[in-house]
Amino acid sequence: ELKVEQNPLFLSMQEGKNYTIYCNYSTTSDRLYWYRQDPGKSLESLFVLLSNGAVKQEGRLMASLDTKARLSTLHITAAVHDLSATYFCAGTGTGTASKLTFGTGTRLQVTL
Amino acid sequence: IAGITQAPTSQILAAGRRMTLRCTQDMRHNAMYWYRQDLGLGLRLIHYSNTAGTTGKGEVPDGYSVSRANTDDFPLTLASAVPSQTSVYFCASSDLPPHNEQFFGPGTRLTVL
Repeated sequence: ELKVEQNPLFLSMQEGKNYTIYCNYSTTSDRLYWYRQDPGKSLESLFVLLSNGAVKQEGRLMASLDTKARLSTLHITAAVHDLSATYFCAGTGTGTASKLTFGTGTRLQVTL
Repeated sequence: IAGITQAPTSQILAAGRRMTLRCTQDMRHNAMYWYRQDLGLGLRLIHYSNTAGTTGKGEVPDGYSVSRANTDDFPLTLASAVPSQTSVYFCASSDLPPHNEQFFGPGTRLTVL
């Protein structure tokens, strides 16, 4: 059974700083997803990582996947206040590719 | 606008009552899902359906049932609600693998008293 752990659970950072959110998973996962959730809102898909070494970037966010280490990272470059949200990673495991197992989320607060 | 709709937006329900949460998607996705989101626990899968006419159990299925009579609709029923089912419920849909990025509805906030 796939388990997904994120750290940190809460991150307060100043605008302009860089930081990384880590997502570890317990067993092989066919693919890895990152989502963003604003308070009281739904989840918005950010990245889908399909293979070892995959790297995707959108604006100040970059996600990567290392399947050998069972680790995905979400790197934030020069944070801005608009990035304040909760970020979730989720994996599919193997043979259950239609079901997602989510981490508990990282609440990011970017301060001025 | 294409996407997923859920109803109701929020509901307060007495314990023991029956409740159906509605979910409709217009993206012609094969697969649909129900999750509950609780503080500190992230999202947990309740039930899913890979195609119309089939359903499967997720991580926390007890106390919930689903049906998938057609591609677009995937209702979630609480036969006899209990306070521990107080949560925010999200419906999602996706194409089948490998292109199974999931898209989420706006959520239903349910309070069981």
